Formats: sequence, structure tokens, C-alpha cells
Amino acid sequence: EVQLVQSGAEVKKPGESLRISCKGSGYSFTNYWISWVRQMPGKGLEWMGRIDPSDSYTNYSPSFQGHVTISADKSISTAYLQWSSLKASDTAMYYCARHSAGRATIFGVVSHLDYWGQGTLVTVSS
Amino acid sequence: SYELTQPPSVSVSPGQTARITCSGDALPKKYAYWYQQKSGQAPVLVIFEDSKRPSGIPERFSGSSSGTMATLTISGAQVEDEADYYCYSTDSSGNHGVFGTGTKVTVL
Repeated sequence: EVQLVQSGAEVKKPGESLRISCKGSGYSFTNYWISWVRQMPGKGLEWMGRIDPSDSYTNYSPSFQGHVTISADKSISTAYLQWSSLKASDTAMYYCARHSAGRATIFGVVSHLDYWGQGTLVTVSS
Repeated sequence: SYELTQPPSVSVSPGQTARITCSGDALPKKYAYWYQQKSGQAPVLVIFEDSKRPSGIPERFSGSSSGTMATLTISGAQVEDEADYYCYSTDSSGNHGVFGTGTKVTVL
């Protein structure tokens, strides 16, 4: 059974650093990209970026580039999302999600987010 | 940056048809995917590649796409279909995902 298990809720102060995790199991971790998705309180889903765990190649949304870092440790099947200096506006639920296997189509190779973690609530408050 | 636009809300009576649109300039050349998110839960895929339904998703959910607009249709909406719905696609490069603005579906 494919599972993505995320680390627990965090309460931090502005300016602090943080790394949250997403551990994959039940599949070959290096064969599937992982994306991170933000959901601020009462708001919609925002795609932040993704990583190829096989070589740690990343793509970031322009909205998040430079504000967060996505990484992975394939030896322990875990992806990470980290901040070096949190702001109150980083308060949100963060989800990791696995991309499905790439499929060749008329639009090129495509994939979608097929399995999701349970979410990690990050609260940043002084 | 690239955007996908959805109506904020759709309201229907039980048994009626709910239609949710998603507008984006790259949709003629990129697939749309649809996710259902119920309160306090992670999103669940209900439609992939414009019109395909994952196993376990009721037949009342269907999808279509034409030009710059994709549409999710819930035929004979049920009370349990009340949720937020998001379209998802990629920009023209295919390297950046994007979610639509989200639509709250009310069935009452």
C-alpha cells in the first residue's frame, strides 16, 4: 500500500528555521516525483514545487522560489520542505503528494498527484 | 505566473447537475485534473487527463475540456458531494504545476 506519512504539527516563532518531512512507503521512492502543496487557513491549494528523488532535481513555483527549499534523502525514502527564516505568513497546512508514473500522451509525458500525505500544520506566531 | 480561474461557488439541489469550470490559457495543450477536498481532509483525485475517472470514483463525476476551458460535471449531485473542488494543470513548459482558485460546491 502506497503511503506518504508527514511529520507532526509545528509551532515556531518568526525568524526561526524549520524542516518538515514526508516519508514514502509501499513503492519505489526514487521512481516518482514528490510535490509540496500549501494551503493557508481558509484558502485554496497552491503548488509550491517538486523534486525528483532519484537525483534531487527540483522545479519551484515562481511564487515560492527562493523562499523554501525542497530536498530528498533517497536512502530513507523521505522528502523535505524547509525554511531558513519563517514568517507569520508561512502559517498554513502543507501537503506532500506523489506524482503518478509518467504517461506518454499527445501532450507529452504527463503525470498527476495520485497519493497525498495527511498534511503538516505549521503555525508561526510570536 | 500562470493562473487557472474557477467560479468561487456553485449551489445545487440534491439530484441536480453541478458544473464547475476551469479557465486557463494553456489548457488547449495541457490536461486538466480535478480534486475534491472535504473539510479537514487531504484532496482526492476525481478526474484525470480531462475526462478519465479513477477507480472508486462514482460515475456521476465526469470531465471535459474544450479550448481554454475544462469542466467538471456532477450529474445527480448528492449531499456527500459537498466539498471544495480544484482543477490542476501545468504551465506551458510542463515543469510547474498550478491549482485553480477553487470552487465550493453546496448541495442542499
